[in-house]
Amino acid sequence: DAGITQSPRHKVTETGTPVTLRCHQTENHRYMYWYRQDPGHGLRLIHYSYGVKDTDKGEVSDGYSVSRSKTEDFLLTLESATSSQTSVYFCAISEPGPEQSRNTIYFGEGSWLTVV
Amino acid sequence: GIQVEQSPPDLILQEGANSTLRCNFSDSVNNLQWFHQNPWGQLINLFYIPSGTKQNGRLSATTVATERYSLLYISSSQTTDSGVYFCAVDGNQGGKLIFGQGTELSVKP
Repeated sequence: DAGITQSPRHKVTETGTPVTLRCHQTENHRYMYWYRQDPGHGLRLIHYSYGVKDTDKGEVSDGYSVSRSKTEDFLLTLESATSSQTSVYFCAISEPGPEQSRNTIYFGEGSWLTVV
Repeated sequence: GIQVEQSPPDLILQEGANSTLRCNFSDSVNNLQWFHQNPWGQLINLFYIPSGTKQNGRLSATTVATERYSLLYISSSQTTDSGVYFCAVDGNQGGKLIFGQGTELSVKP
């Protein structure tokens, strides 16, 4: 258990409304990630963070923003939700291994978002 | 970017059978991991294996980095092994794991 909590776990929202998903970790991991999972696409990286206030884009970042003001929290915001953003969102953390590299990744339990 | 292909896409086994799942990747990697997603959606890290061989109980994995593939072996399969198995790689682009499409395994009692 890597101590990752996602909230909310399930949400239904209307097109055009803002939505924020929260990822909270309790073990002071430096690296945090947001992925989305869709049928036929597997998991795709949205944004990631390598420290407080240090974030970067993943492969499907359009329409999403992130913030990390504290080590333990990584927020994903949909500024104006669209139906194409209906998905399952997974937060993940990684722990450095003996090679001092970012490796072994652990996932939260997922947040199911439906945009109607 | 790196392409990751997994095979087979689907696999149905009788309980007790063995299986081999394959992951091919298109470029050199410094990070390769296998994950299991259970029927409830939970993603579990099975192996961090950029090269070499590892074993954990009935599961083992081998990565031949020079030939750009990795294999996940499941022996004496159980119904609890059902779910989707993902391979993911990092091509040294700042820790961005690229996932394959997964192999969906169904183990019948």
